[in-house]
Amino acid sequence: SQQGEEDPQALSIQEGENATMNCSYKTSINNLQWYRQNSGRGLVHLILIRSNEREKHSGRLRVTLDTSKKSSSLLITASRAADTASYFCATDRDNFGNEKLTFGTGTRLTIIP
Amino acid sequence: GAVVSQHPSWVICKSGTSVKIECRSLDFQATTMFWYRQFPKQSLMLMATSNEGSKATYEQGVEKDKFLINHASLTLSTLTVTSAHPEDSSFYICSARDYRTGRGGYTFGSGTRLTVV
Repeated sequence: SQQGEEDPQALSIQEGENATMNCSYKTSINNLQWYRQNSGRGLVHLILIRSNEREKHSGRLRVTLDTSKKSSSLLITASRAADTASYFCATDRDNFGNEKLTFGTGTRLTIIP
Repeated sequence: GAVVSQHPSWVICKSGTSVKIECRSLDFQATTMFWYRQFPKQSLMLMATSNEGSKATYEQGVEKDKFLINHASLTLSTLTVTSAHPEDSSFYICSARDYRTGRGGYTFGSGTRLTVV
C-alpha cells in the first residue's frame, strides 16, 4: 500500500526557479528518503533524513522533516532542465516496524528551458 | 558506490509463457532484496521482500505462485513471472541496501520493462 501522498502531483517551472515538493506519510519512521526517477529508468537515491533531524542539505537540495506533522519537503534550488524527472519520498518502516521502503505517489517535475 | 544490476532491461513475451528477471548486487552482499512493480505514471508498489536462503515475503494481494522469487546467493535474486498475461505488463524494479556504507539509502536496478502480448 502507498505510504503517503505527495503534492503537487505535477509541477512545471522555468529553469532557474526553485521547485518545492511535499510529502506526507502515515507511520513512525527511522528515516525518510527522497529518490529521483527519470522516465522509464530506475531510481536514484538523493538524500536521507533521519527522524531526529529537521533539515538537511546536499548541493542544490534541501530537505525538511516535521515528524509531528508526518511531513517532509524537498526543495531544489536554481533548477536546471536536467532536473526534469519524477521525485518520490519513501519511508523505511511499515505499520509493524518492519524494514520496508514504501513510496509516496510522486511528483512529476518539468523544468522549462 | 553500491551497484545493482538488473537484467534484462526489457522483454516481450507471449501470453502463457514465463519470464525471469535477475537482480545482482555487484560490489556488496545483499541478504535482502526488494521487488517493486510500477505501472505507467504511478508510484512503485512493493511486491515482495526477497531473503537470502529463505522464502520471500509477499505483500498482500501479490500471488506468490505467479511471481516466484529465488534468492539463492548473497548477490543474486530472481523474479519469475509465470504464465504471464497482458495485465502483467509493467515495469519491474529491484533494490537492495548496502549496509556497509551506513548511508541508509537503497540502490535500485535500472528496471525491466515487461510487455506481454
